[in-house]
Amino acid sequence: SQQGEEDPQALSIQEGENATMNCSYKTSINNLQWYRQNSGRGLVHLILIRSNEREKHSGRLRVTLDTSKKSSSLLITASRAADTASYFCATSWGDDKIIFGKGTRLHILP
Amino acid sequence: SAVISQKPSRDICQRGTSLTIQCQVDSQVTMMFWYRQQPGQSLTLIATANQGSEATYESGFVIDKFPISRPNLTFSTLTVSNLSPEDSSIYLCSVGGIQGNSPLHFGNGTRLTVT
Repeated sequence: SQQGEEDPQALSIQEGENATMNCSYKTSINNLQWYRQNSGRGLVHLILIRSNEREKHSGRLRVTLDTSKKSSSLLITASRAADTASYFCATSWGDDKIIFGKGTRLHILP
Repeated sequence: SAVISQKPSRDICQRGTSLTIQCQVDSQVTMMFWYRQQPGQSLTLIATANQGSEATYESGFVIDKFPISRPNLTFSTLTVSNLSPEDSSIYLCSVGGIQGNSPLHFGNGTRLTVT
């Protein structure tokens, strides 16, 4: 299966700290994306990194991609209570299907 | 980005009945995707709904259980038939992701509980 595997499955940190989530996948990809889901609602796209890119930033988000290790990381700096959510990586390859990983549940403690 | 309206937002259904979920997009899109998210789990792609042709189902999902309509470029329905408690999930429609090189945009999902 191409499905990505995130780790950790769950993460609790203090507000203001940085949160790092990792994603590993199994085959070559076109790109890798990260999404956020708040409490059972629809997913919101955060960032897309192409297979020929190594790092990308968007506000407090930093994504890295290591295609040799088939892994990606999402760093959220200076975390806020509103960052509490589930985060999913998603990969695409070859066709139009986008396959999601199992997700990391992030809880920001006040 | 596309705005997606999904209805109903939630429903409680008796086993053996069916539920039809509607997905309306504010712009014309070629492909629409239906996902299922079981409690505490990730998203699993059910099928890709193409306008003018039959939906393409992923392994483990069949048309008899999850019939899909796609009458035009802005609308699709997913029916979950012959409901059982195992069908209790969030069902999400999404658009975008053309050739996997653009983001998916999601509706807010339909939370289905089967009793």
